[in-house]
Amino acid sequence: QSALTQPASVSGSPGQSITISCTGTSSDVGGYDFVSWYQQHPGKVPKLMIYEVSNRPSGVPDRFSGSKSGNTASLTISGLQAEDESDYYCSSYTSSNTLLFGGGTELTVL
Amino acid sequence: QVHLQESGPGLVKPSETLSLTCTVSGGSTSTYYWSWIRQPPGKGLEWIGYIYYSGSTNSNPSLKSRVTISLDTSKNQFSLKLRSVTAADTAVYYCAIGQYNLRSWGLGTLVTVSS
Repeated sequence: QSALTQPASVSGSPGQSITISCTGTSSDVGGYDFVSWYQQHPGKVPKLMIYEVSNRPSGVPDRFSGSKSGNTASLTISGLQAEDESDYYCSSYTSSNTLLFGGGTELTVL
Repeated sequence: QVHLQESGPGLVKPSETLSLTCTVSGGSTSTYYWSWIRQPPGKGLEWIGYIYYSGSTNSNPSLKSRVTISLDTSKNQFSLKLRSVTAADTAVYYCAIGQYNLRSWGLGTLVTVSS
């Protein structure tokens, strides 16, 4: 199984909004509403930010939102803050009852 | 709040078996799904596999022939064995709760494969 496709890097200025895409196939992203997003600061443990496409765990700011259209899921961060600078990974359940991660996106806050 | 902690050797020789244990506190391994994920240095996350409390498992097709995941509910632990390791298996290994929503993760343990 090939990794889900994410842009290697995105950037934005404080206060702006950015969107990170995650593209798969109809056998994973497009076929199930089981897409998650994780934030990982350097040297730290990944943190679940969005689950089941658009749900936020308790404690995650509402600046983080998720959506999906067809085979592509998206993570949007609005009102960008310096602390949002991190790596972000998407994941999706697959038709093989497995889990597939994206390659990761490095977010730089300018 | 469920806490997980990985333990095991930090150095494994090529061709040998990597063995890690994840100890769970604040929750019971008699329920839910328990997963292993790894991250090679400087690279992205790779799903290894999961075990359900019933004992059923599934793993990454690319690793399936070398992976065994088991559960010991009496100790509230689950384990990973990865056979015939090579340098490409050098990574930080994480355990986590969940099947596709990985809500809580251990701190991770670096395993280096080297002679």
